[in-house]
Amino acid sequence: RKEVEQDPGPFNVPEGATVAFNCTYSNSASQSFFWYRQDCRKEPKLLMSVYSSGNEDGRFTAQLNRASQYISLLIRDSKLSDSATYLCVVRRPGQNFVFGPGTRLSVLP
Amino acid sequence: GAVVSQHPSRVICKSGTSVKIECRSLDFQATTMFWYRQFPKKSLMLMATSNEGSKATYEQGVEKDKFLINHASLTLSTLTVTSAHPEDSSFYICSAVSGSHNEQFFGPGTRLTVL
Repeated sequence: RKEVEQDPGPFNVPEGATVAFNCTYSNSASQSFFWYRQDCRKEPKLLMSVYSSGNEDGRFTAQLNRASQYISLLIRDSKLSDSATYLCVVRRPGQNFVFGPGTRLSVLP
Repeated sequence: GAVVSQHPSRVICKSGTSVKIECRSLDFQATTMFWYRQFPKKSLMLMATSNEGSKATYEQGVEKDKFLINHASLTLSTLTVTSAHPEDSSFYICSAVSGSHNEQFFGPGTRLTVL
């Protein structure tokens, strides 16, 4: 089993839709969690860190469930510019960052 | 966020040549830098972890004699692909982490094509 797993998608949604991605991780010692987005042929860019109490940044909401070892990302009112691959990333204390395989999102006009 | 630069952004070379890629943290000191490789439509794969002043730690399956990493200062790490072959053609991306950050910041990547 991979340490970080994501549904690869693609998720094809119309503009304005709400879409949710889940990510599961296998190592219970993981302590830091992030969502990155990566556009085609570009480097990943940090979208948001994920905090235990959950956090929101505009149209984006991230949740962490430590008991079930999963992280979620909710995107409301999808825009065409949200089309990208969304990467779930976890880090154990003092250790490397482990990337999930990414979930592809296409927002359609 | 912090800024990480990478140079060159694109390189095309002949088989058998060596290519050096530089990764610089521009506005912070990076205690750790990571080197990743990404093939088309595939996930980012960690190649090695580079700590300033010490030898890099390579992931399983990554040849340390082929991918030479030097992290001589807190703002610069280099990756040299020695005797490159067509199968080394890929997108190489570095990232940097400072002691005070828990986040990693990525360089823009280097697209290597070996003919």
